[in-house]
Formats: sequence, C-alpha cells, structure tokens
Amino acid sequence: DGGITQSPKYLFRKEGQNVTLSCEQNLNHDAMYWYRQDPGQGLRLIYYSQIVNDFQKGDIAEGYSVSREKKESFPLTVTSAQKNPTAFYLCASSIRGGNTGELFFGEGSRLTVL
Amino acid sequence: GENVEQHPSTLSVQEGDSAVIKCTYSDSASNYFPWYKQELGKGPQLIIDIRSNVGEKKDQRIAVTLNKTAKHFSLHITETQPEDSAVYFCAAVWGNMLTFGGGTRLMVKP
Repeated sequence: DGGITQSPKYLFRKEGQNVTLSCEQNLNHDAMYWYRQDPGQGLRLIYYSQIVNDFQKGDIAEGYSVSREKKESFPLTVTSAQKNPTAFYLCASSIRGGNTGELFFGEGSRLTVL
Repeated sequence: GENVEQHPSTLSVQEGDSAVIKCTYSDSASNYFPWYKQELGKGPQLIIDIRSNVGEKKDQRIAVTLNKTAKHFSLHITETQPEDSAVYFCAAVWGNMLTFGGGTRLMVKP
C-alpha cells in the first residue's frame, strides 16, 4: 500500500539529547513537510522540502533540523536547542510543492521529554 | 502572514443533528481552503476543499461554504453519525503555504 510511514510512534528523551524522527513515503511525491501539533494550536509548519537536496524553514524551525537526501525520506532531528520539544509530530507529503493540493499525512510520532 | 481562526474549539451534537464549524482568515489573497479530519491516533485526512472561484461545494453529508467578502468559510455536516467524531482542521493557503486553524473537536453522541 502507498503511504507515509513515521517512526517511532512514541519516543522518550532526556533533556539535552538530540532525537531523530523518521518519515518515509512511497507515493513518489516531490514535496514533504514536518508539522508540530500542540493542543488548541492546530498544525504549525517546522520545515518543508519541495525537491531532493533542498528544504526551507517553516514558521517554527528553531531547534530543529532536516535533510532530504532521497526523494522518499525526510527525517527530522529535534535538537537540544528546542526549548519545548514535547509534542506530536506529523510528517506529510504532496505531489508537488505549493500547498494547493492534498496533503497526505503519516500517523505521527509523539515525543516526550523527561 | 496568514492567520486562521477556527470556532468552536469543541462541539457536541446528538446523532442525526447537524454540525457547523466556522473559520475566518486574514489574507484576502488566499485562494484555497481545505478541511482535514483527524481521527484519534491518526494523521489528518483531507475530506473536502474549496477554491476561491466557488461559493459552495457539497459531497454527500458534508458541505463547505466560502464568503470571500467576509473572509470566512464553514464546514457543514448533516445527519451526523458517531463515526464523524474527530478533530477537524480548516486551512487557508497564503504565499503557497497552508496555515491551519486551531482545530475543532466534534463529539457525536449516540
């Protein structure tokens, strides 16, 4: 089945540690996105990539980093510089960039900082 | 940038009743307005969308209306069923990027 796979589903981290969330898609989509979801705040864009080897900061990129070495993969690293990393993280893809078409989401990764 | 306000944040209805969720946006240049449904433990899924050249769009029990002058758009669900219980997000496109509303938790009581 085509879709987006995020892993791990749940992750616990100690303060000061970096952690990487995986996102893989087999939809052959050009664009991929990372969103952060907090209660009552909707979905906020962290980073997006419209093509391999290129990515741009979203609204809340501070404390996060990404790479796009392969079309299928867009991992997100939550660094120790992120002040409040406990959240639900969603990865998405679309056929092309520009966000005027459907976004396909993964099932999310819940990060808890202890 | 774009700002999208969504109301109410929670909505409880009886099965069979209608539900309405409203969103307002700030940038008059926005031209694409999707609605996503997020079931518990899952990622959001597109359920309906509308572009700025259309005032209303319907798909079975769900419909979306757009008032460009007032800069607001609404999701209407008729004959609600328990499986409609979920969190619903509206969004608007500004500068080729989507901005989401804060979400509405809809609870349909059997």
